[in-house]
Amino acid sequence: GAGVSQSPSNKVTEKGKDVELRCDPISGHTALYWYRQSLGQGLEFLIYFQGNSAPDKSGLPSDRFSAERTGGSVSTLTIQRTQQEDSAVYLCASSLRDRASPLHFGNGTRLTVT
Amino acid sequence: GQQLNQSPQSMFIQEGEDVSMNCTSSSIFNTWLWYKQDPGEGPVLLIALYKAGELTSNGRLTAQFGITRKDSFLNISASIPSDVGIYFCAGQISPLAGGYQKVTFGTGTKLQVIP
Repeated sequence: GAGVSQSPSNKVTEKGKDVELRCDPISGHTALYWYRQSLGQGLEFLIYFQGNSAPDKSGLPSDRFSAERTGGSVSTLTIQRTQQEDSAVYLCASSLRDRASPLHFGNGTRLTVT
Repeated sequence: GQQLNQSPQSMFIQEGEDVSMNCTSSSIFNTWLWYKQDPGEGPVLLIALYKAGELTSNGRLTAQFGITRKDSFLNISASIPSDVGIYFCAGQISPLAGGYQKVTFGTGTKLQVIP
C-alpha cells in the first residue's frame, strides 16, 4: 500500500490478556518506529528497528513489552499480561534510512484494557 | 522520554486569524519537522526543514529552522475550520553514517478554530 498500515485499528482486551499489534511499513522503508500516545498526550518513543534488528529499545516501559520485525518489513508489538495503564494509541512509523528522511505514521491501534 | 518544549499548549482562535506556535530545545537538531494530527489518525507531515535559518512555506503554512538549531516555529495564516487538530514539532538528529535518526517530539499544540 501507499502508506503505513496498522491493525487492528481498535482492540479491547481484558486485563491480564496478551495482545499483538501489527505494523506494515511503507515498502522500501528500512527504519521502523513504535510510539505510544496516551489520551491528550504527546508521543512516547518505544522502540526503533533498522532492518530486523532493534538498536534502540530504550522506550519499552517494562519487560511485558516486546517487538519483532521480520523480513525487514512487518513488525509486531506484543504486550503480555496487559494492565489498564497500557490503554493508549500505539503508533507505528517508518522512514528511509536516508539521514534526513522524515517519519511517516500509520493511523495507530487504539488499545483499551478493561 | 525526552520531549521538546512546545508552546502554546492549546489555543482557541477565530476563523481567519493567523496562528503561531514554536518549539525550543536544549539540544541541537539537524532536521526540524512539523506534523498535524487529526482525531483518530496518525500524525501527518506538514513541513520539513533541513538547514539552520531555512524558511519554508507550504500553502498557508510557514515554518523556520532557527539559526541556533535549537528552535523552530510554525505559522498558519488565515486559519480555517479544517486547521483544527494537534500540531507536533519534531527534531531529528542524523548521526554519522551507520547510526540511526533519533527523533524527539514536542508536547503538541492543540488548535481550535471558532467559525
